[in-house]
Amino acid sequence: GDSVTQMEGPVTLSEEAFLTINCTYTATGYPSLFWYVQYPGEGLQLLLKATKADDKGSNKGFEATYRKETTSFHLEKGSVQVSDSAVYFCALIRAGGTSYGKLTFGQGTILTVHP
Amino acid sequence: GAVVSQHPSWVICKSGTSVKIECRSLDFQATTMFWYRQFPKQSLMLMATSNEGSKATYEQGVEKDKFLINHASLTLSTLTVTSAHPEDSSFYICSARVGTASSDTQYFGPGTRLTVL
Repeated sequence: GDSVTQMEGPVTLSEEAFLTINCTYTATGYPSLFWYVQYPGEGLQLLLKATKADDKGSNKGFEATYRKETTSFHLEKGSVQVSDSAVYFCALIRAGGTSYGKLTFGQGTILTVHP
Repeated sequence: GAVVSQHPSWVICKSGTSVKIECRSLDFQATTMFWYRQFPKQSLMLMATSNEGSKATYEQGVEKDKFLINHASLTLSTLTVTSAHPEDSSFYICSARVGTASSDTQYFGPGTRLTVL
């Protein structure tokens, strides 16, 4: 079945540090890939997405590129802020079939940014 | 942006009782809603897919007689945990898919913390 694997957390960084959260996936066909963020006490919010190979999703300074050859969708940000502290989830949706529309999530990575 | 609410945000109940959780799309109509369960420090596990006007589709291993889902309108889906037991204690999250079948965007509710004593 489909699966998403994220790097183990928690990740602790100082403000303005570079962030990478690794994400790899296993799925049949050509899934769409997502990063969701969950701030403390809030629901998941879509951070960015990419729907085909070599697409780059970006939002709020975060970027991730859909790499089909390595089945990866790593999240990066050049300079993190304290306000980026949250849990980040990598996810995929299979392109079609009976699983269409169903998100498969990675285990989540807790990010803490210190001033 | 699209907003999804859940009620209640937290609930404590006694073992053997039933608990109903509501999921509402506040400013859009959602033909499909999803229910997830999240254990502490773990990922979200899809429980079921709820389509307006039809029976919910449950994931393998999820007891449909225990987790009753009703999607009565385009803005409301409910999850009822029947005869709850301590092992049902968890964080339950709903999401709503907006737009056509080609839309992959889901909007998530803030979640409901269920504690069964």
